[in-house]
Amino acid sequence: DIQLTQSPSFLSASVGDRVTITCRASQGIYSYLAWYQQKPGKAPKLLIYRASTLQSGVPSRFSGRGSGTEFTLTISSLQPEDFATYYCQQLDSFPRTFGQGTKLEIK
Amino acid sequence: QITLTESGPTLVKPTQTLTLTCSFSGFSLSSSDVGVGWLRQPPGKAPEWLALIYWDDDKRYSPSLKSRITITKDTSKNQVVFTMTNMDPVDTATYYCAHYYYDLRTFDPWGQGTLVTVSA
Repeated sequence: DIQLTQSPSFLSASVGDRVTITCRASQGIYSYLAWYQQKPGKAPKLLIYRASTLQSGVPSRFSGRGSGTEFTLTISSLQPEDFATYYCQQLDSFPRTFGQGTKLEIK
Repeated sequence: QITLTESGPTLVKPTQTLTLTCSFSGFSLSSSDVGVGWLRQPPGKAPEWLALIYWDDDKRYSPSLKSRITITKDTSKNQVVFTMTNMDPVDTATYYCAHYYYDLRTFDPWGQGTLVTVSA
């Protein structure tokens, strides 16, 4: 199985901050990586797929980069509604594994 | 607009078999490049992918659970059924189904999920 390691696991930031979350794969996955946002009691919501393609309707302050084994999700200017937990998922091979998550909290 | 809804028991006893149904609208599982997946998320943990069925009835399973799980589709009813045998308390989780785009390799959208508790 491909392991995904996210860092940091917890992130404290303020509205307006620029934040970056990293996801590292245990082996190369080309650009087959997705990012999800999850709020308490809700299903994960797709933000980015193929490492850098913004899902329709997702604000442009979200961006993704990377290929191979290292990927990043950046939020350029945090908004109050962005405080949530973020997960990466690889879609290169089965099983379709997830990272352990990054909880983004208000400072 | 694509929507998915999970249904099934909220409480099962250890050793019992769990059967969940995903009812969907806004797409057809007879259309190429489409699939439906099942995922779960234990309380406070990351999601875990379980199974995926494609439009052509090809199926993929999590290797760690393959001996216990089955996924089937009923195209005429717009439903996908997921079964897991020999349930254990560690299987307590919110179970989700999700639409899958084959070409884009995306799970989107997800259903709202159903919490299944395994307890005697």
